[in-house]
Amino acid sequence: QKEVEQDPGPLSVPEGAIVSLNCTYSNSAFQYFMWYRQYSRKGPELLMYTYSSGNKEDGRFTAQVDKSSKYISLFIRDSQPSDSATYLCAMRFNRKLIWGLGTSLAVNP
Amino acid sequence: EAGVTQFPSHSVIEKGQTVTLRCDPISGHDNLYWYRRVMGKEIKFLLHFVKESKQDESGMPNNRFLAERTGGTYSTLKVQPAELEDSGVYFCASSQDLQGSAGELFFGEGSRLTVL
Repeated sequence: QKEVEQDPGPLSVPEGAIVSLNCTYSNSAFQYFMWYRQYSRKGPELLMYTYSSGNKEDGRFTAQVDKSSKYISLFIRDSQPSDSATYLCAMRFNRKLIWGLGTSLAVNP
Repeated sequence: EAGVTQFPSHSVIEKGQTVTLRCDPISGHDNLYWYRRVMGKEIKFLLHFVKESKQDESGMPNNRFLAERTGGTYSTLKVQPAELEDSGVYFCASSQDLQGSAGELFFGEGSRLTVL
C-alpha cells in the first residue's frame, strides 16, 4: 500500500468552477501537509501547508486536513485557466517529503 | 534573488556511461535535497544535506549514485555507471531551517536524465 494516494486524473473543468483535489495517507506520524503546484517542465512550487486538522485559506485556495480520516483536500474557487497545472500533495515526515502522484488539472476558458 | 538552479536541464546518455548533475541552491540555504521522479511514479526522496554533511541518504537507490556538496554550497549527483532504470527527472531543492515552520522547500526546474 502506498503511503500517500492521489488520483492522477486528468481533471478538466470550465473556468469559474470550484475544484476539489484530494489525497489520503496511511502514516499517522506525518507532521505537515502540503500542496504543491507544478507547471509543465518546471519544479514544484509550494501553494499551502497545514499542520493540524482544520481549514486554512489563502485567497481562492483552501486547504483542509482531517487527521482522523487521514484525508486532505485542496479547494480552488473561481478557477482560472492559469490554474491549469499538476497539483501534488506531500506529507512531511522528519525532514523528508512523501508525495502523491499529482493530479493534472485543466481549466478551460 | 536567484532561485535554485540545476544543470543540465536534459541529458541523454548510453547505458554504462557516467552523468553528473549539478545544483546551486538559494544563497544562504543550509538545507539541500535531491528528489527523483521516474515516469509514472511519485517523486521520491534521495538525500538531504545540511551544509556539507549528509543528514539522510536513505533514499539513494544504490552505490552507483554519489552525491557531494562542496563547502556547503553547490551539490553534484553523479550516476556511474548509468542504467536504464535511472531515467527520470532529478529535482534539487533547498530550504532555510526555521524553527517551528514547515521549512518551505524551493525547487529547481529539474534535470531530465534519459538513459538509452
